[in-house]
Amino acid sequence: GENVEQHPSTLSVQEGDSAVIKCTYSDSASNYFPWYKQELGKRPQLIIDIRSNVGEKKDQRIAVTLNKTAKHFSLHITETQPEDSAVYFCAASNTNAGKSTFGDGTTLTVKP
Amino acid sequence: DAGVIQSPRHEVTEMGQEVTLRCKPISGHDYLFWYRQTMMRGLELLIYFNNNVPIDDSGMPEDRFSAKMPNASFSTLKIQPSEPRDSAVYFCASSLHGGRVWETQYFGPGTRLLVL
Repeated sequence: GENVEQHPSTLSVQEGDSAVIKCTYSDSASNYFPWYKQELGKRPQLIIDIRSNVGEKKDQRIAVTLNKTAKHFSLHITETQPEDSAVYFCAASNTNAGKSTFGDGTTLTVKP
Repeated sequence: DAGVIQSPRHEVTEMGQEVTLRCKPISGHDYLFWYRQTMMRGLELLIYFNNNVPIDDSGMPEDRFSAKMPNASFSTLKIQPSEPRDSAVYFCASSLHGGRVWETQYFGPGTRLLVL
């Protein structure tokens, strides 16, 4: 089955700096890669996703890149703000299989 | 749509008691997932259904756990008997497969379970 590794497990940055979270996956059949943000005590919510036919996607301060050959994808947050502090999960999904495999999460802390 | 609905939001029970968690997926979604989240083990997929049929229950930890989906709008996760190590937040999520929607999972608010 699919195995997703996520790094780092914790990340602390100063407000205004950039943050990068990286994930690798094992199943070459995975073709959809969502990122979820989970604030303390809340549910995971989708913030951005990328499909296997796209190399990069951007939404305001958030961007995701995908390298299918190397089987890794990354989340980039620019101009971080304290409200970006949360746990971020990457996931890899094979739409034929119907399920996503999640990484272990990265706790991002943005210090004001 | 109200989103994925879970009940109860909080449950405190004593070891050995039966616990039933409930989930109503987003109308029209054909996949339903049950997850368990703890600090130690992160977000674990327990079981998922497609069109009310269980597809993969390999994440269910023990025979004490069972899940059903009698119709497209309702699912239950049951723990009998419960144990303190079952204490966790249990999330239900649903998604619409295929078409132009690619596996985005919408999570419910979760049920925070504490087994004493």
